[in-house]
Amino acid sequence: DAKTTQPTSMDCAEGRAANLPCNHSTISGNEYVYWYRQIHSQGPQYIIHGLKNNETNEMASLIITEDRKSSTLILPHATLRDTAVYYCIVSAGNKLTFGGGTRVLVKP
Amino acid sequence: DTAVSQTPKYLVTQMGNDKSIKCEQNLGHDTMYWYKQDSKKFLKIMFSYNNKELIINETVPNRFSPKSPDKAHLNLHINSLELGDSAVYFCASSPSTIRTDTQYFGPGTRLTVL
Repeated sequence: DAKTTQPTSMDCAEGRAANLPCNHSTISGNEYVYWYRQIHSQGPQYIIHGLKNNETNEMASLIITEDRKSSTLILPHATLRDTAVYYCIVSAGNKLTFGGGTRVLVKP
Repeated sequence: DTAVSQTPKYLVTQMGNDKSIKCEQNLGHDTMYWYKQDSKKFLKIMFSYNNKELIINETVPNRFSPKSPDKAHLNLHINSLELGDSAVYFCASSPSTIRTDTQYFGPGTRLTVL
């Protein structure tokens, strides 16, 4: 599976949009981009996934560049409960490998 | 109402002991997983079962043996525990092995080997 690169941490203001970037320059054609998050002391929680089209659900939007080498997770209106580590994962199967992720702190 | 549950939540034991972690899901899923999260917070898959059959077996020492008595349960037994086994172990489940299926994770079991 392709590797991903994410910023180590970022802060976001409550109520504002949070844009989380992810680089996956070695992604292959059959690999999906998945986003999960892990709130402190809890198990990971699924957010969204996509192959090449942009995706939106009740939690977030996923924007994938045309060359698929990078993507951005958008939390439209961040709340304090969105404080967590966000993982961008690239995989062709259901074998997920979580890297270091981005530690997002939402501030009042 | 918990979808994926694990017991115990915390496990502290001595080196050389044998211990088990239990996992149950009430989602009616066919596929279950065990993941290990190390001290650097990297989370990697260890095993996956589909309908009680082993389908993913990563490079894990033979001391780790998963057992699936039925579709709703996947237990992890660890023999001769070592210091390096200290980690948080997460169980997960998904409807099937289709790669776009969402994986639902349990709350984790923090294992500390002294």
